[in-house]
Amino acid sequence: GEDVEQSLFLSVREGDSSVINCTYTDSSSTYLYWYKQEPGAGLQLLTYIFSNMDMKQDQRLTVLLNKKDKHLSLRIADTQTGDSAIYFCAESINTDKLIFGTGTRLQVFP
Amino acid sequence: EAGVAQSPRYKIIEKRQSVAFWCNPISGHATLYWYQQILGQGPKLLIQFQNNGVVDDSQLPKDRFSAERLKGVDSTLKIQPAKLEDSAVYLCASSSQGALGEQYFGPGTRLTVT
Repeated sequence: GEDVEQSLFLSVREGDSSVINCTYTDSSSTYLYWYKQEPGAGLQLLTYIFSNMDMKQDQRLTVLLNKKDKHLSLRIADTQTGDSAIYFCAESINTDKLIFGTGTRLQVFP
Repeated sequence: EAGVAQSPRYKIIEKRQSVAFWCNPISGHATLYWYQQILGQGPKLLIQFQNNGVVDDSQLPKDRFSAERLKGVDSTLKIQPAKLEDSAVYLCASSSQGALGEQYFGPGTRLTVT
């Protein structure tokens, strides 16, 4: 079945690194995504990783994928107050249908 | 490039009333999605259109929810009659074919059913 789980809340100090974790159950997922949702706004795609990759880096963002454990993480380096938002991981088997996790609320304090 | 537009942004209705939401996707995007996001949860797909045809409506409560995309552009989502548990944010998203799953989301319509 399809199920994506995340921890609910993460609090970090400005300048530190944030690591947001996600577990999924469908081993046939082809792509995994990280979306960001700011208050009152829709979701915005941050980055994605193909299932045959272990790592992807994009500026301050690093995505790690452990396919054996079905574990995905998003590391944000030098976290800023503007990074405060809810972060959703999502999986897809084809590129059309996304299954979203429950979301992790990241709070960055000065 | 204009983003996905949705209206209204907020709606408050009483249970058993009807409500309709409107979405205008990004120009040229063939695929349109409606999601329901209940407070504290991730978005759940209700229905997916490819042009004006339905690709997936397996999660749509068809006894009360309906959606259409008549000319393959704008779409409306209707609830009739509404229940208390329909209180949620309704998100519309669109994507172009072969877009590696990048869906562009509108700001959503927050529905409160009292």
